[in-house]
Amino acid sequence: KAGVTQTPRYLIKTRGQQVTLSCSPISGHRSVSWYQQTPGQGLQFLFEYFSETQRNKGNFPGRFSGRQFSNSRSEMNVSTLELGDSALYLCASSLDPPGLGNQPQHFGDGTRLSIL
Amino acid sequence: AQKITQTQPGMFVQEKEAVTLDCTYDTSDQSYGLFWYKQPSSGEMIFLIYQGSYDEQNATEGRYSLNFQKARKSANLVISASQLGDSAMYFCAMSPANTGNQFYFGTGTSLTVIP
Repeated sequence: KAGVTQTPRYLIKTRGQQVTLSCSPISGHRSVSWYQQTPGQGLQFLFEYFSETQRNKGNFPGRFSGRQFSNSRSEMNVSTLELGDSALYLCASSLDPPGLGNQPQHFGDGTRLSIL
Repeated sequence: AQKITQTQPGMFVQEKEAVTLDCTYDTSDQSYGLFWYKQPSSGEMIFLIYQGSYDEQNATEGRYSLNFQKARKSANLVISASQLGDSAMYFCAMSPANTGNQFYFGTGTSLTVIP
């Protein structure tokens, strides 16, 4: 069974640009979550999508947005990039049913975003 | 608010010995899951082990076991017979039952296995 696939693996952008990251979950998984990982802040939850609806959102500015498609694939968009957005962005998918706190999240390899 | 604390930024262990990585958590939720993940230098997060808040038995998965003490709100990871490939960052995480699949992570412990 294929794992969580994130593209691209590496990305270099400049301040003010926007970026879109893609995530394909494990087949059959309908919950997709996004995390930002930095040396200073650690792993921080961005948002979670389930059945094309955003179910949870972390404490990030509105420049960070996402969406989920009917095939459960998800995209994350960051607009007006800032230097502080440089990070490893991880996508994770989970099995149904959600909300019980007992389903492990399976992570992709991440997209390493560097802002110049 | 949920909080996960890992107080050991770095640990060293001799190959073939056992090591315990500490994790404490703070939550007012009664139902939650506790997870450990391994992150090698390549970046991917690898799921290791899960413990439910209502599970009375400690979870085990091969060389990994979770020492769950609910009253103390601790969920320590024990790795037996350490191998060189165990060198990585280890993260403790919690998922309350009422927050969908939002995970709260600790700051991690860097484990180095010495030959």
